[in-house]
Amino acid sequence: DIQMTQSPSSLSASVGDRVTMTCRASQSISTYLNWYQQRPGEAPKLLIYAAVHLQSGVPSRFSGTGSGTDFTLTISSLQPEDSATYYCQQSYTNPPLTFGGGTRVE
Amino acid sequence: QVQLVQSGAEVQKPGASVKLSCKASGYKFTSYHMHWVRQAPGQRLEWMGWIHTGSGNTRFSQKFQDRVTITRDTSASTTYMQLSSLRSEDTAVYYCYTAVAATPFDHWGQGTLVTVSS
Repeated sequence: DIQMTQSPSSLSASVGDRVTMTCRASQSISTYLNWYQQRPGEAPKLLIYAAVHLQSGVPSRFSGTGSGTDFTLTISSLQPEDSATYYCQQSYTNPPLTFGGGTRVE
Repeated sequence: QVQLVQSGAEVQKPGASVKLSCKASGYKFTSYHMHWVRQAPGQRLEWMGWIHTGSGNTRFSQKFQDRVTITRDTSASTTYMQLSSLRSEDTAVYYCYTAVAATPFDHWGQGTLVTVSS
């Protein structure tokens, strides 16, 4: 199974800060990488698909880069509503789909 | 619009089984896989398996393949996930979701809390 490792596990930042988090796959997954945002008590919400494509309706301050094994999610100007946990997910091998451990943004 | 509506919270005893449902609307039900994912308190999302709602074919995570069954009723646009031999570690929120890899088609149910307690 492909393992997904996210870092950091948590971070604290201020409104307006630029925030970057990473996701590393244990083997190449091309660009079969999604980023999800999950607020407490809610289902995950797709932010970025295929590593770099912004989901419709998602603010443009979110962006994704990467291919192969290393991926990055950036929030260009952190807003209060961005407090959440962010998960990466690979769909290169299916089954199984695998998720990272998450990065909690406070 | 696409909606996935899941059944309500469950409380089950260890050793019992639970069967959850996920009713889809707003798209052609038989076109896409339906996945089941769970999230234990404070833990990461964990993929359990999928069913191709057209053919009925299923695939499961090795971790759950001996205990999970996923079925569908195409006439009701509903998918079911049954987990047997429940233990306390199965206490989690269970989500259904439908998605196509590397595309923006990605929709989740609201989640169902399953509590396993004696």
